[in-house]
Amino acid sequence: NFMLTQPHSVSESPGKTVTISCTRTSGTIASNYVQWYRRRPGGAPTIVIYEDDQRPSGVPDRFSGSIDSSSNSASLTISGLKTEDEADYFCQSYDDNDHGVFGGGTKLTVL
Amino acid sequence: EVQLVESGGGLVKPGGSVRLSCAASGFTFTSYSMRWVRQAPGKGPEWVSSINADSFFMYYADSVKGRFTVSRDNANNLLFLQMNSLRAEDTGVYYCARYYDSWSAYDYWGQGAQVTVSS
Repeated sequence: NFMLTQPHSVSESPGKTVTISCTRTSGTIASNYVQWYRRRPGGAPTIVIYEDDQRPSGVPDRFSGSIDSSSNSASLTISGLKTEDEADYFCQSYDDNDHGVFGGGTKLTVL
Repeated sequence: EVQLVESGGGLVKPGGSVRLSCAASGFTFTSYSMRWVRQAPGKGPEWVSSINADSFFMYYADSVKGRFTVSRDNANNLLFLQMNSLRAEDTGVYYCARYYDSWSAYDYWGQGAQVTVSS
């Protein structure tokens, strides 16, 4: 089975843009949709991107998702960073049995 | 407003059992399949189990197969996870999540229930 590898942490200043990567270790990233979730400290996870690049209503357009076949990875980009964006972000896809596979999570610090 | 509220976690000894519940509200529970996902300390989330809307299909991660049982009570909008033969590596926060077919995603999650397996 494959894994999804994320950087342990990233940090950026308010107003800047940050990109969090999610690399699939085997198989092709485009084989199964990738989702992104956010979990603020003490909170429930919430979805910010589904089906690679779709944004749920209520999620600001500062959040965008993409996949890159050349690097076999997905990315979550957050522009115009705000302190409220500080959270853990994790990616998720599916294996051949349609069971969820999650990345290890990335802690975003906005300072 | 969609709400998922887990309960039933706690401290349990190795080899012991615990039953988690997830109370669902704010949506038609019988229209959705549900998931259990856990997160161990310092690790990423791990899918644990799936159950479809009418309980016809149930699936488990290899790490819990034969020890955990998922079920649901559609009359009372409840999801359950019976966890037996618990091990230290089962320690973590357990989340219930709704699966939304149209998004191929877990669109709502509960706050999670802590399960600690320790002597």
